[in-house]
Amino acid sequence: DAKTTQPPSMDCAEGRAANLPCNHSTISGNEYVYWYRQIHSQGPQYIIHGLKNNETNEMASLIITEDRKSSTLILPHATLRDTAVYYCIVTNFGNEKLTFGTGTRLTIIP
Amino acid sequence: ETGVTQTPRHLVMGMTNKKSLKCEQHLGHNAMYWYKQSAKKPLELMFVYNFKEQTENNSVPSRFSPECPNSSHLFLHLHTLQPEDSALYLCASSLLSGRVSDTQYFGPGTRLTVL
Repeated sequence: DAKTTQPPSMDCAEGRAANLPCNHSTISGNEYVYWYRQIHSQGPQYIIHGLKNNETNEMASLIITEDRKSSTLILPHATLRDTAVYYCIVTNFGNEKLTFGTGTRLTIIP
Repeated sequence: ETGVTQTPRHLVMGMTNKKSLKCEQHLGHNAMYWYKQSAKKPLELMFVYNFKEQTENNSVPSRFSPECPNSSHLFLHLHTLQPEDSALYLCASSLLSGRVSDTQYFGPGTRLTVL
């Protein structure tokens, strides 16, 4: 599976959009980008995934660059409950082997 | 509430004890997973079961013994653990339909402390 690089931490003001970047320059053609998050002392929670098109659901939007070497997770109106560690994971078809890195610790500031 | 429950939520055990962690999923999924999360380290995949059959053992020491009697239940039997085994143990499940939209649903975890 391709490796990912994320900033270790970010802050975002409450009510603003949180933009979390992820680099995956070695991604191959059949690999998807998944995002999960882990709120303190809880299990990880699925957020969104995509291949090459931008995706949006009720939680977030995922923007993948045309060359697929990087992506950005967007939380449009961050709340305090969005404070968590966010993991960007690249894996091929089938999510049975998710490899979690160290993620980005996002802190929402009141 | 994700549909995946784990018991107990907290466990303290001595190195000579034998204990078991239990995971149950109410989602009709066919795959179940055990992960370990040590302090300040990424989640590590330990075991994967597909349709009750073990398909992945990520070089886990034999003092951890998984059991999957059916697709809804997963156990992790613990014996003669070491203090460095103290961690959050997470269970997850997924549908295994073959669709990329399948995702893993995680339980709340068991916080294990080995004295």
